[in-house]
Amino acid sequence: DIQMTQSPSSLSASVGDRVTITCRASQSIHINLNWYQQKPGKVPNLLIYAASNLQGGVPSRFSGSGSGTDFTLTISSLQPEDFATYYCQQSHGVAWTFGQGTKVE
Amino acid sequence: EVQLVQSEAEVKKPGESLKISCKGSGHSLTSYWISWVRQMPGKGLEWMGAMSPTGSDIRYSPSFQGQVTISADKSINTAYLQWSSLKASDTAIYYCSRRREDCSNGICFRYGMDVWGQGTTVTVSS
Repeated sequence: DIQMTQSPSSLSASVGDRVTITCRASQSIHINLNWYQQKPGKVPNLLIYAASNLQGGVPSRFSGSGSGTDFTLTISSLQPEDFATYYCQQSHGVAWTFGQGTKVE
Repeated sequence: EVQLVQSEAEVKKPGESLKISCKGSGHSLTSYWISWVRQMPGKGLEWMGAMSPTGSDIRYSPSFQGQVTISADKSINTAYLQWSSLKASDTAIYYCSRRREDCSNGICFRYGMDVWGQGTTVTVSS
């Protein structure tokens, strides 16, 4: 199994802040890394696919980078609607896995 | 509109069987990997398993192998997740989702899970 470790588990930020969340894979996953946002009581929403590609309809303040084992999700200027939990997810291995989540509050 | 429409919430007793569904609308499931994802109350997302577009490849997380079965009926564009004997610890929301994969010359570009069902809440209680 490929394990995904996100950090931090939670963070406190203010509107306008630059926010960075990291995700580390237990082995190389090349660029097979996606990022999702989930708000309470809602369905997860794809933000970034293949490490750095912005999903259609997602604001450009979201960006992703990385390859191999280390990845980053950046929100350039946090907006009120961005307070949520963020998950990374790898689809490289036979079994796909999510990180444990990062709550932005 | 492209959607995945899941079956309604279920309340079951321990030991009972259950099969929940995920129907594609506006797109064909035969073009996508279909995954199932569990979210226990107050917890994170857990990938349970997935079926390939052709149905020839079904893979499970080691945590769920032998505990659930993923299947599909392509003729009605519907995927299923089933249990033969539920436990109280199966209480959760279950999501289905689709993921596209483009392969050429043995190299695959993997997109993210871009369309999700609304979730099916399963409650297992005596």
